This record gives sequence, structure tokens and C-alpha cells, in this order.
Amino acid sequence: DIQMTQSPSTLSASVGDRVTITCRASQSISSWLAWYQQKPGKAPKLLIYKASSLESGVPSRFSGSGSGTEFTLTISSLQPDDFATYYCQQYNSYSLTFGGGTKVEIK
Amino acid sequence: EVQLVESGGGLVQPGGSLRLSCAASGFTFSSYSMNWVRQAPGKGLEWVSYISSSSSTIYYADSVKGRFTISRDNAKNSLYLQMNSLRDEDTAVYYCAREAVLDYWGQGTLVTVSS
Repeated sequence: DIQMTQSPSTLSASVGDRVTITCRASQSISSWLAWYQQKPGKAPKLLIYKASSLESGVPSRFSGSGSGTEFTLTISSLQPDDFATYYCQQYNSYSLTFGGGTKVEIK
Repeated sequence: EVQLVESGGGLVQPGGSLRLSCAASGFTFSSYSMNWVRQAPGKGLEWVSYISSSSSTIYYADSVKGRFTISRDNAKNSLYLQMNSLRDEDTAVYYCAREAVLDYWGQGTLVTVSS
């Protein structure tokens, strides 16, 4: 199975900050990477697919980049609604695998 | 509007069985592959199983292989997960989600395995 490693596991930031989360795959997954946001007690929500494509309805302050084994999720200006946990996921092959998550906390 | 609604969760003893259902609406269910994903309390996301649109291709995570069975009924717009020989470590919220990119998720159903 492809292992997905996310960093950092926790991130403290303030409203307005630029935030970057990194995800690394154990082997090349081309651009078959998605990012999700999850709030407590809720299902994950798709933000980014195919590494850099913004899901419909997702604010443009979210962006994704990368290919192969290195990927990033960037929030250009953190908003109060963005405090949540973020997961990367590869869909290059089954088994689907997720990163361990990054919790974005209020500084 | 796409909707996925899970049901069938509950408390079960170790070694017991449970059948989860996922009712789909708002899209042509028979055209999409589906997955089950779970999340243990306070933990991250774990993919459990996949079924193609026609049920011709099925995959399982190693952790559930031989114990869980995924199926679907396209006439009823429904997805299922039969869970047998349940273990403590199967305790989780179980979500159904559409396609490999997991573009739509249900609200989840809690399965608790405990004596």
C-alpha cells in the first residue's frame, strides 16, 4: 500500500495567516491526490482533487500543488471557519490511503 | 442534491455481526463506484472497502478482509456493508462515500464493539 505522510500534525495560526500543509507519498501517485477538511462531529469535505483542482463551492483561498510524491495545501489567508483538521488522500491505486491529518488550531 | 444516508450502526459484542446500509439520492447511483471509510474515535480516516458501479470489482482493506462484505443494489439505490466477526478495533464511525475521489460523504453511523 502507498503510505501518505502529512506534516505538521498540529499547526497553530492566527486569522489572516498563510498556512501550508505538506503531504508526501511513499511512491509516485502522479496527481491523484485529494485534500479534505473535517470539523468535529462532521463528515470530511472535499476541498481539492487531482492535486490542484478546486472543488466547486470551495473558497479560492484554498489551493493545492505538487505531483509525484510531494504535495502541498495552502490557505492564503486563514479565516475563522478554517480551523479544522485537514487530510490528504491518494487515489492512484487501491487501497486508498490517507495522511494522518493536520489539526489547524487558533494561536 | 446528492445525499448519502447511512444507517444500521449500534452496539454489538465482540464476535457479533452488523449490517450497515447507505441510501443514495440525487444522482444516478448505478453509474458511480462507492466506498466505505471509517474513523475510530479521536483517530484519522481509514478506507475500508470499494465496489464498482456494476459490482464487478471489489476491494477490501487487509484489516477487514474475510470478515466484511460490501454489496450494492442499484435498483434500490443502496450500498451495504455486512460486518461479521467484529472486534474491538472495528469501533468507529462508518461513512459511505462516492467515487475514488470521495466527492460526497454521508453523515456516518457509529459502530461500537464492546462487551
